[in-house]
Amino acid sequence: EAAVTQSPRNKVAVTGGKVTLSCNQTNNHNNMYWYRQDTGHGLRLIHYSYGAGSTEKGDIPDGYKASRPSQENFSLILELATPSQTSVYFCASGAQGTPHYEQYFGPGTRLTVL
Amino acid sequence: GDQVKQSPSALSLQEGTNSALRCNFSIATTTVQWFLQNPRGSLMNLFYLVPGTKENGRLKSTFNSKESYSTLHIRDAQLEDSGTYFCAAEANTDKVVFGTGTRLQVSP
Repeated sequence: EAAVTQSPRNKVAVTGGKVTLSCNQTNNHNNMYWYRQDTGHGLRLIHYSYGAGSTEKGDIPDGYKASRPSQENFSLILELATPSQTSVYFCASGAQGTPHYEQYFGPGTRLTVL
Repeated sequence: GDQVKQSPSALSLQEGTNSALRCNFSIATTTVQWFLQNPRGSLMNLFYLVPGTKENGRLKSTFNSKESYSTLHIRDAQLEDSGTYFCAAEANTDKVVFGTGTRLQVSP
């Protein structure tokens, strides 16, 4: 049973439109993460969260907002989508450890902004 | 930046051969993860390492924190090993920095 799920799996949006990517995890992990993957860059961290109600900026947060309404759910919001945000987005969850933890990834969402 | 450098960037192997992938870290790294992204795009955990060595079937990984590198050895490569391998370094924060990946193609 998949422990980290993402929806939608594919999305086409128009420039200037609002896009919400959703992530759900059943691992009961405190930490959740949003990454984007682009050729030549590997995975880059956009936002992350330490638990319900918490959102933190990652390495490339500009143009994105995040929302963590519950332990299980973490959303990535593009208020005004731009073509440069065309990418594959991965959500992950991780157990909060000191100092070590492991991340588990969702299947990814392919977003195309036209 | 190049905080996590993976090499080689691409690799072709014949079935049954062995090879090694490498990650060099320019940040203080406490743990390393190795992932395989299959041709369908899914990311799979391979190893999660503190300094030391782990082995799983035909795969073996070592993390040397003193010399700031990690290796992933593939023994007796199979067609299903094809995909992109990523290493990811955890520094002294809760963030993880990914390398840019090694694209592996195994052919008959």
